[in-house]
Amino acid sequence: EAQVTQNPRYLITVTGKKLTVTCSQNMNHEYMSWYRQDPGLGLRQIYYSMNVEVTDKGDVPEGYKVSRKEKRNFPLILESPSPNQTSLYFCASSSETGLGQYFGPGTRLTVL
Amino acid sequence: GQQLNQSPQSMFIQEGEDVSMNCTSSSIFNTWLWYKQDPGEGPVLLIALYKAGELTSNGRLTAQFGITRKDSFLNISASIPSDVGIYFCAGHTIYNFNKFYFGSGTKLNVKP
Repeated sequence: EAQVTQNPRYLITVTGKKLTVTCSQNMNHEYMSWYRQDPGLGLRQIYYSMNVEVTDKGDVPEGYKVSRKEKRNFPLILESPSPNQTSLYFCASSSETGLGQYFGPGTRLTVL
Repeated sequence: GQQLNQSPQSMFIQEGEDVSMNCTSSSIFNTWLWYKQDPGEGPVLLIALYKAGELTSNGRLTAQFGITRKDSFLNISASIPSDVGIYFCAGHTIYNFNKFYFGSGTKLNVKP
């Protein structure tokens, strides 16, 4: 089954404790992206990747890092999480840049 | 950053009624996408539009890419209870095909 998976689905952590949210897709998609969703703000793009080793900033990259060492995986790294990064995070992928994306199920992160 | 103005914010309608929502941007868009998000899940692509003036249908859903390339609308005909959810417009500008912007969403409630 074609899908985008994220782990963990729920995470509660404390300020400053490094964490990684994994994202994996099984569709051999080139384009992958991370979004955060906050009430009233819709989804905002954090980082995107056009292919392996090619990443760039979205609209709200501050406080986040990504890597794309393999085509199928695109982890989101928070080196020193802060409470304003409490949000619902979505990973997405598409076969090419500019096309409609498939979204993962989301990761709800709470930073205390 | 780029802002997408999506309206209305929420709608309460009776089953069987038609629904219309729209999105406007300050920049020229190259792609317009419409997504639906059910509670606890990631957004699912409904319709993708790639050319100015394009009118595309998907069952009871119809969407159009505005002639000015700065707006798009989504119509749902004969609404049913399972249409309940949040609808998002999204797209990318002519300046960057990799960077996606989302509207803040239209929350649709359908009374049986």
